[in-house]
Amino acid sequence: DTGVSQDPRHKITKRGQNVTFRCDPISEHNRLYWYRQTLGQGPEFLTYFQNEAQLEKSRLLSDRFSAERPKGSFSTLEIQRTEQGDSAMYLCASSESPGHPIAFFGQGTRLTVV
Amino acid sequence: DAKTTQPNSMESNEEEPVHLPCNHSTISGTDYIHWYRQLPSQGPEYVIHGLTSNVNNRMASLAIAEDRKSSTLILHRATLRDAAVYYCILKYGNKLVFGAGTILRVKS
Repeated sequence: DTGVSQDPRHKITKRGQNVTFRCDPISEHNRLYWYRQTLGQGPEFLTYFQNEAQLEKSRLLSDRFSAERPKGSFSTLEIQRTEQGDSAMYLCASSESPGHPIAFFGQGTRLTVV
Repeated sequence: DAKTTQPNSMESNEEEPVHLPCNHSTISGTDYIHWYRQLPSQGPEYVIHGLTSNVNNRMASLAIAEDRKSSTLILHRATLRDAAVYYCILKYGNKLVFGAGTILRVKS
């Protein structure tokens, strides 16, 4: 399977714990995006990378959230001191280049904070 | 962010065409109109995009109004596998900005 891969698919954590999600984009895709989706809503943009550079962060991305893409390949999204409001689906997407119109999404990581 | 307006839900019969409308009255001259869909428990999937002219691909057709303030996604023959949430999106800067989308239900 050469699509966007996300791991884990599901994560249950206790409030206050830290969690980290991984995204492997399609090979050689320069752009990588993170989105968050709550029930009944469309995905909300969190941040994106051009290669290893993080170029934009949404104001939704509080200080507890950090994302990296150290070698311009896979990316991680970490949430520190999780809160119940962080419960959501976290989606990763990649695209070939800045001007390419198509983004390919992974299946997401569903986070439940109890 | 550029905004789109879609009906909350629509229903269609299997094997019949479906027309999914979208209003985007604040669209700028350089905004492309994108459509994605999201099947249950899946990430969004690209459907089609266009700027001014009508567009066709193997999945759907996109009809864009002459003033570009609205567009319609056309599924020519709906199947049960087309049941999904359909998002009409204007790309804002470097990112796709999703609304709540239209839930499409397909009846057999």
